[in-house]
This record gives sequence, C-alpha cells and structure tokens, in this order.
Amino acid sequence: GAGVSQTPSNKVTEKGKYVELRCDPISGHTALYWYRQSLGQGPEFLIYFQGTGAADDSGLPNDRFFAVRPEGSVSTLKIQRTERGDSAVYLCASSQLKLQRSGYTFGSGTRLTVV
Amino acid sequence: DQQVKQNSPSLSVQEGRISILNCDYTNSMFDYFLWYKKYPAEGPTFLISISSIKDKNEDGRFTVFLNKSAKHLSLHIVPSQPGDSAVYFCAASATGTASKLTFGTGTRLQVTL
Repeated sequence: GAGVSQTPSNKVTEKGKYVELRCDPISGHTALYWYRQSLGQGPEFLIYFQGTGAADDSGLPNDRFFAVRPEGSVSTLKIQRTERGDSAVYLCASSQLKLQRSGYTFGSGTRLTVV
Repeated sequence: DQQVKQNSPSLSVQEGRISILNCDYTNSMFDYFLWYKKYPAEGPTFLISISSIKDKNEDGRFTVFLNKSAKHLSLHIVPSQPGDSAVYFCAASATGTASKLTFGTGTRLQVTL
C-alpha cells in the first residue's frame, strides 16, 4: 500500500477485555515496529520485527502484551486483560531494512481507550 | 529515566522568523538523531536526521545542529511558516540497537501570522 495502515483507528474497550490492533506495513518493508504514545509523552518503543521474527521485544511492558507477524507482512498487537493504564495511541511503523537515514514511516495509530 | 529531553513543551514564533527547537540527551551511546513532526490524529513524519560524525545537516528550511560534547541538538526552521505548526519530536538511536528509537516528549510549535 501507499502508507502504513492501522486498524481500527479508535478502539474503546472495557477493563479486563482482550483487544487486537492491526498494522499493515508498506509493501516490501521487512522491518516493522510498534510504539505506544501516552498523553503528553513521546512514542515509546514496544517491539521490532525483522521479517516474521521479533528481533527485539524489550519494550513490551509485561506478559499481557504480545505481537505477531506470521507471514512477514501484517502484524497484530494483542493485549490481554486490558487495564486503564493501557489507554494510549499505539503506533506502527515500517522500513525497508533496519532504521535508515530517513527514519521509518509511521501509521496514523490506533487510539485505545480502556474504560 | 528520560534519556532524551525536550524541555520546552511549547514555542510560539511569528511567521517568517526563525524557530529553534532544542533537545538534550544523556546516553553517550546515541549516535544517530532524528526529528519528527506530528500533526493531530496523524502519525509522526520524518523531517531530518544527523549522524554523530557530523555537526550540521541542512535540508531546505530545516537545519539540525549537533553538539556532542554538550549532548545537545537543535532544529532550526527558517523562515517559519504557518504550516510548520505541529508537535516536533527529537529521537535518538544507538549502534547495536539501531532498530529502536528513543523519543523526547515533544515541543508544540505554533507559527503565528
């Protein structure tokens, strides 16, 4: 596609529920990243995929968070037993290789609200 | 532990003047720096970058300066235009963790007529 696509754009869920956030990267981009941006903060790194494998998941806050990229393209970020503190904008980005001089391309994000 | 700091949450500049956005970092392993611009309800978009082997990089109206000894970088926008009004994020990466960017908290720039 022309850009990084994230769905849904907004998600409201009840505390304790399970959510899935989807990211469709730019076609041909092998690297995919998830970030989380809380109110008043900059984006915080969650996980980085190179192809199908998670090359760096050091930013995942706890075991309620999990991400997959089974075919090396679309990725899904999964959050179990959601908490109010999970409310944030979840950003996905992709790049052709690892971080390049032009940075990577972000999607518009999914705003997750846990009530 | 905020490794990348943008101490000015907001900045207002008149159209045509220079905008200077500042960023400080604490991790001496950072060797690549980027600036991103973000409009409301959109993802951050890449603006300009600089490697630690340089002290200046210029792209049109945008120039980034890096002072390694002070662990400080700045973004200059000349001349400022109303369309530049956005939140600007400074980000840094370190060799070996080149996949991961550490962002500052952002500076909201407003360019007034």
